[in-house]
Amino acid sequence: QKEVEQNSGPLSVPEGAIASLNCTYSDRVSQSFFWYRQYSGKSPELIMSIYSNGDKEDGRFTAQLNKASQYVSLLIRDSQPSDSATYLCAVVRGDRGSTLGRLYFGRGTQLTVWP
Amino acid sequence: DVKVTQSSRYLVKRTGEKVFLECVQDMDHENMFWYRQDPGLGLRLIYFSYDVKMKEKGDIPEGYSVSREKKERFSLILESASTNQTSMYLCASISAPGHPNFGSGTRLTVV
Repeated sequence: QKEVEQNSGPLSVPEGAIASLNCTYSDRVSQSFFWYRQYSGKSPELIMSIYSNGDKEDGRFTAQLNKASQYVSLLIRDSQPSDSATYLCAVVRGDRGSTLGRLYFGRGTQLTVWP
Repeated sequence: DVKVTQSSRYLVKRTGEKVFLECVQDMDHENMFWYRQDPGLGLRLIYFSYDVKMKEKGDIPEGYSVSREKKERFSLILESASTNQTSMYLCASISAPGHPNFGSGTRLTVV
């Protein structure tokens, strides 16, 4: 089982719709969770971070974390064509002996928002 | 803002060459990571380091080694480059309670 799994996509939504991206992780000791957006040929850029159960909202983005189900999601409201990119889920897993632990990524979900 | 700098944006090397990819961060972060990214495979962890001279293998360390002599610098070494190491290489650093910061990436082509 992979450390981090994302719904494979690709995902295509019309402009103005809600895009829903999902991610599960395998290690219960995971500490920190992140969503990144990556445009083609560019490095990932942070969209959201979440550390405790529940919802966290930032503008059009909402991250949801459920540690009991080992599940983290990202909702994008009022999707725009500029949101078209690959979205990466990242998880910091606690490791014995290291300060912070390993940082794992899902394979990404490609989102297309059409006008 | 944290700055993570990778020394080269594009690199072309010959099979069998020894290749050094450099990564420097300016925020005294403890943890640094090297990944490669290939289409359909996502970011795969090669090595990471949680302190000077401390390193741990990631999921795909074969053919690679790393060096961390100073806290700000984490180098990835391809001992003898092969064509299957053609990829995008990304460096990241993190320090609690922050989020991972990425360099701009190095696209390496081995011919």
